[in-house]
Amino acid sequence: DAKTTQPNSMESNEEEPVHLPCNHSTISGTDYIHWYRQLPSQGPEYVIHGLTSNVNNRMASLAIAEDRKSSTLILHRATLRDAAVYYCILLDSGAGSYQLTFGKGTKLSVIP
Amino acid sequence: NAGVTQTPKFQVLKTGQSMTLQCAQDMNHEYMSWYRQDPGMGLRLIHYSVGAGITDQGEVPNGYNVSRSTTEDFPLRLLSAAPSQTSVYFCASRSRRSTDTQYFGPGTRLTVL
Repeated sequence: DAKTTQPNSMESNEEEPVHLPCNHSTISGTDYIHWYRQLPSQGPEYVIHGLTSNVNNRMASLAIAEDRKSSTLILHRATLRDAAVYYCILLDSGAGSYQLTFGKGTKLSVIP
Repeated sequence: NAGVTQTPKFQVLKTGQSMTLQCAQDMNHEYMSWYRQDPGMGLRLIHYSVGAGITDQGEVPNGYNVSRSTTEDFPLRLLSAAPSQTSVYFCASRSRRSTDTQYFGPGTRLTVL
């Protein structure tokens, strides 16, 4: 499985934008980029995913580099509820692979 | 929809005891999986199933058994509990489309003394 690299931790002030980076230099053409987050004492929850183009949903935006070797999850206005561990995960759509492989993720702290 | 449900929420076992963690989903998902999460770590895959009657091992399968007799249920059995199995266990389900969301249960916090 292609691997991802994320910073261990980041801080943001409340109501400011947050850019969470993810490097995936060995990504293959059939790998989707998924982001999940895990709030304290809860199971992970889906945030967003994309293949090549930038994506937006009600929770966040995903910016994907033109060479697809990196991506950035953007939270437009961080709230205290966004304090969580964020996981960047690659999922190969072409190999019949269904399991998500979690790294340690980035722990985001939001300062009031 | 209830989504993915897990029981119990908390459990304390003594070394050598056996137990079953229950997991059920009502979304008709083909794929179900079990993860464990140790303090400060990411989730590690224990076992998974791509459909009723089909199971396979993940990254850390030793000490655990699974079966999938129905689409809805995917129980995880600890055969002889060990302190190293103290962890939080998450069950998850998704459809077979790789672009689809994986849904996680609330977790079972297990302590083995």
